[in-house]
Amino acid sequence: SQQGEEDPQALSIQEGENATMNCSYKTSINNLQWYRQNSGRGLVHLILIRSNEREKHSGRLRVTLDTSKKSSSLLITASRAADTASYFCALNAGNNRKLIWGLGTSLAVNP
Amino acid sequence: DAGITQSPRHKVTETGTPVTLRCHQTENHRYMYWYRQDPGHGLRLIHYSYGVKDTDKGEVSDGYSVSRSKTEDFLLTLESATSSQTSVYFCAIGGGANNSPLHFGNGTRLTVT
Repeated sequence: SQQGEEDPQALSIQEGENATMNCSYKTSINNLQWYRQNSGRGLVHLILIRSNEREKHSGRLRVTLDTSKKSSSLLITASRAADTASYFCALNAGNNRKLIWGLGTSLAVNP
Repeated sequence: DAGITQSPRHKVTETGTPVTLRCHQTENHRYMYWYRQDPGHGLRLIHYSYGVKDTDKGEVSDGYSVSRSKTEDFLLTLESATSSQTSVYFCAIGGGANNSPLHFGNGTRLTVT
């Protein structure tokens, strides 16, 4: 399957701790995107990292991409209860402009 | 929510009835998408549109049709609803040749009894 695979499936941490989620894939990509989904809501785009980039930052978010290992990680630093959500990676692969989605990591940040 | 409105937000319908879900955008974006989200399957693309009257199938298009008569509106129709189409449906805009990120509506929860 070309599907992105997030790891872990679920993660529970305390407020203030860092959360790391990983996404592995099997195909070549143009870019990889991370999205957040709060319960009952639509997905919200967080970061897009292109295949020629290795790291990007946005506020408390840090995304890395290792195309040789076909993997990406999303780090949320100093987590807050409001970060509780599901996080998805999505692959933009080859000439196909349609994204390929992973199954997501469910993050619970406990106050 | 990037000017995307889905309606209705919730719907319960009976097997065999036709159902139409509506997505309305105010961003004038060329590309629009319909996804369904189910536990264990993640997001799966049903249909997408790359312009007025220009649509194409996604990976799970059987039993669904779409129409786009105006830039701002993208309709998803379940021709004869089945219980397997019980799901949460999301509309999105973005993507396309610029590979821009997607912006999603808040979804329609459809239950087929």
